[in-house]
Amino acid sequence: EPEVTQTPSHQVTQMGQEVILRCVPISNHLYFYWYRQILGQKVEFLVSFYNNEISEKSEIFDDQFSVERPDGSNFTLKIRSTKLEDSAMYFCASRAGEGSNQPQHFGDGTRLSIL
Amino acid sequence: GQQVMQIPQYQHVQEGEDFTTYCNSSTTLSNIQWYKQRPGGHPVFLIQLVKSGEVKKQKRLTFQFGEAKKNSSLHITATQTTDVGTYFCAAPRGTSYGKLTFGQGTILTVHP
Repeated sequence: EPEVTQTPSHQVTQMGQEVILRCVPISNHLYFYWYRQILGQKVEFLVSFYNNEISEKSEIFDDQFSVERPDGSNFTLKIRSTKLEDSAMYFCASRAGEGSNQPQHFGDGTRLSIL
Repeated sequence: GQQVMQIPQYQHVQEGEDFTTYCNSSTTLSNIQWYKQRPGGHPVFLIQLVKSGEVKKQKRLTFQFGEAKKNSSLHITATQTTDVGTYFCAAPRGTSYGKLTFGQGTILTVHP
């Protein structure tokens, strides 16, 4: 069964440094998402991406965050200047088609640790 | 902002006992989805409920969507140790782009 893949599985970074989290969504999917989950808390929406542009973003997704789909397969999340509070699991998800009835498929996540 | 409230936060059961988690929304939902997250894992889609009053079953799991489409429940009959994990309900919010708002999750532990 096709799956969403994320790399790296764990990223340790000094505060203030830039990080790029990478995702390869399922190949025929059209909608892409980033979520984050702080340890012990619920999954929180960050951003959705469709047709090569951001379609929605949350309050968490401030100017330090950006997303790109640089080619036909990768979907990246960049944090320009990391803060301690950015430490969390970051999940990429993708969805096949139009309409909110389609389920989202999540990757295994990247654990981001900011020191 | 819009929220989906989920209770209980934790549930500890003996193997063989039943388990139920509940989700409530203050607004009508177009659909509700359920995900399971194993410890250290990622959310895995279980099921989606769309119709008012809908009931769906997956082996020992029974999912219900309320008549008003504002609440939902997941019931597990005769829990097994493989059922451990966090169960989240999630509802699409906003536009058709489908961003999900997750409930707080219910952490299920099953004692053998």
